[in-house]
Amino acid sequence: NAGVTQTPKFRILKIGQSMTLQCTQDMNHNYMYWYRQDPGMGLKLIYYSVGAGITDKGEVPNGYNVSRSTTEDFPLRLELAAPSQTSVYFCASSYLRGPETQYFGPGTRLLVL
Amino acid sequence: AQKVTQAQTEISVVEKEDVTLDCVYETRDTTYYLFWYKQPPSGELVFLIRRNSFDEQNEISGRYSWNFQKSTSSFNFTITASQVVDSAVYFCALSEARDDKIIFGKGTRLHILP
Repeated sequence: NAGVTQTPKFRILKIGQSMTLQCTQDMNHNYMYWYRQDPGMGLKLIYYSVGAGITDKGEVPNGYNVSRSTTEDFPLRLELAAPSQTSVYFCASSYLRGPETQYFGPGTRLLVL
Repeated sequence: AQKVTQAQTEISVVEKEDVTLDCVYETRDTTYYLFWYKQPPSGELVFLIRRNSFDEQNEISGRYSWNFQKSTSSFNFTITASQVVDSAVYFCALSEARDDKIIFGKGTRLHILP
């Protein structure tokens, strides 16, 4: 039982490049979330999903896209990377909605130059 | 609107001292949930506790204790006899029962000095 896994651990992108951050959970959780954590700041919700085929915007969705074709996977896509997207990205999952404990992946550190 | 405020940006204490991390929240709901997470230097987020708004009993788990006071909208976290391994960033978070999202505070960076 690996929990929530994220790849890659670290990536450097040039401005305008695109990439997909991968997130997989093996706990059969319905709910999955993407957060970003900027230096010295708390986590801000980018997108979340309440089940396969259903996604919704969080607090800071601009510049990102998501899809949820399976229960296990919730990839986050950056289409045109910008320096403002330099951050640490965390994926999380929970069995039920919001108040349930969210379990986090180890994070992906992204640097956009 | 939901809001979580952790006024203490950074705290340093000497090992074995007690330390309290403050958390103040805002919500219009009567049913809500509060959380504390720990983020050690390694970067992962570790769940510590979840409390619902109907349970104001204080909770103790080893050296950790939590004081939930609805009257002051606070959910403070105390570490007794701190240890160097307690050094981390600690996040307080809030979720309303009708919502699918958790809102995090900005975190308090705790340094335990040997």
